[in-house]
Order: sequence, then C-alpha cells, then structure tokens
Amino acid sequence: EVQLVEFGGGLVQPGESLRLSCAVSGITFRNTYGMHWVRQAPGKGLEWVAFKTISGDKIYYADSVRGRFTISTDNARNSVFLQMNSLRAEDTAVYYCARDRGGSLMDVWGKGTTVTVSS
Amino acid sequence: DIVVTQSPNSLAVSLGERATINCWSSQSVLYSGDKKNYFAWFQQKPGQPPKLLISWASTRESGVPDRFSGSGSGTDFTLTINSLQAEDVAVYYCQQYYSAPYIFGQGTKVEI
Repeated sequence: EVQLVEFGGGLVQPGESLRLSCAVSGITFRNTYGMHWVRQAPGKGLEWVAFKTISGDKIYYADSVRGRFTISTDNARNSVFLQMNSLRAEDTAVYYCARDRGGSLMDVWGKGTTVTVSS
Repeated sequence: DIVVTQSPNSLAVSLGERATINCWSSQSVLYSGDKKNYFAWFQQKPGQPPKLLISWASTRESGVPDRFSGSGSGTDFTLTINSLQAEDVAVYYCQQYYSAPYIFGQGTKVEI
C-alpha cells in the first residue's frame, strides 16, 4: 500500500523559512512519475503549489509561490521536499504531498502538515 | 492558465436521492494525442485529505462505489452521486490536470 507522510510544519514568523518533507513508502520511488504539493488554507479550497517529475525534467510552480518555494526529491530517501522561503501570512495552510501516477494525476495523498505564518 | 469553475457551492440532498455537481474549464482539457480528458473529481471529508474518486473524467478509482459517476468532455463535466448515502457527506472538488497550474474548482459541500 502506498503511504505518504508529511512533516516539518510549524509556526513561523513572516519572512522566515521552513522545509517540509514527505516520506513515500510502499512503492519504488524512482518508478513514480512525479510528486506534487497542494495546500489548503483554513476553511478554504485546494490550491496546487508545485510539481516535480522524479527524473527532474519537469518542475512547475504556482505563481503565488514561484521564486520563494523550491520542490526537490531524494530518490535514495524516497522523499520529496518543499523549501519555503520568505513566508507570508497567506502561506498559512495545511500542506499535502500527493503522488503523480502519470499524466499529472494525483492519486495518493498524505494526511498533511500544518504551516502557520504569524507574528 | 486553465481555470475551473464549479457549481453549486453547496447542495442539500435527501438520503437516497441524486446529487449533481457541475464543472467547467476555461479551455478544453481533451488531449487530441490520447483522446483523454485530463479531469478529475476528489472527495474530502472533514479532517481528512482529498481522495481521488474519478480520473479521466469518467473512470472510477478502485473501491469507489458505483453510485459515483463522472461524465462530460472538453470543457463541461459532471459528477453524479446516485442514491446519496450518509457517508457521502463531504466537499467535492473537480480539477484539471491537463496543464500547470493544475487548478481545482472551488468545491461543493454536499449535505443531507
């Protein structure tokens, strides 16, 4: 069974940085097409944040985070990361990682980790 | 960007009745190369992550009850829940995965 577990969330002040991790188990990571990060602000809908193929040939970001967030993967550790810099109050959300089955389809999701940006 | 618009925002349905949710994309998500619609439906229950219900506009995921069905092509899509059950109370999101940014609809809250 494929499982995704996110961690690294927390409370930070505006302008600070945070690195989220997502550990993937139950599959051979390098056979996965890619990984996504999706976030959900309190009481709001889903917002796609970033995507990276495992091969690294495609990396995409939402306009709201481009230049501040960086998605990366570590095949040896079966993990995907989201480095978040220059955090803003509007980045406050539950952050989910999701596996891309292929064709950009997000088929398995983690339970999420909460990021709160507040002074 | 391919924007997705979802309607209604909320829906109250009696047990055993049908729920219908509509979504529209600002551009066609039907890829001519493989004749597939890059459109999905997700269910999110309170305190849980989203769950993929339907991919390619009409393909039910394994384990999803057959009362859930997706239809449509191009820019117009529909999720139908036949014979609504109590466990179907959730927020439902549509999404285009044709091209980045992979935008979700605003969500439809389905209540009894």
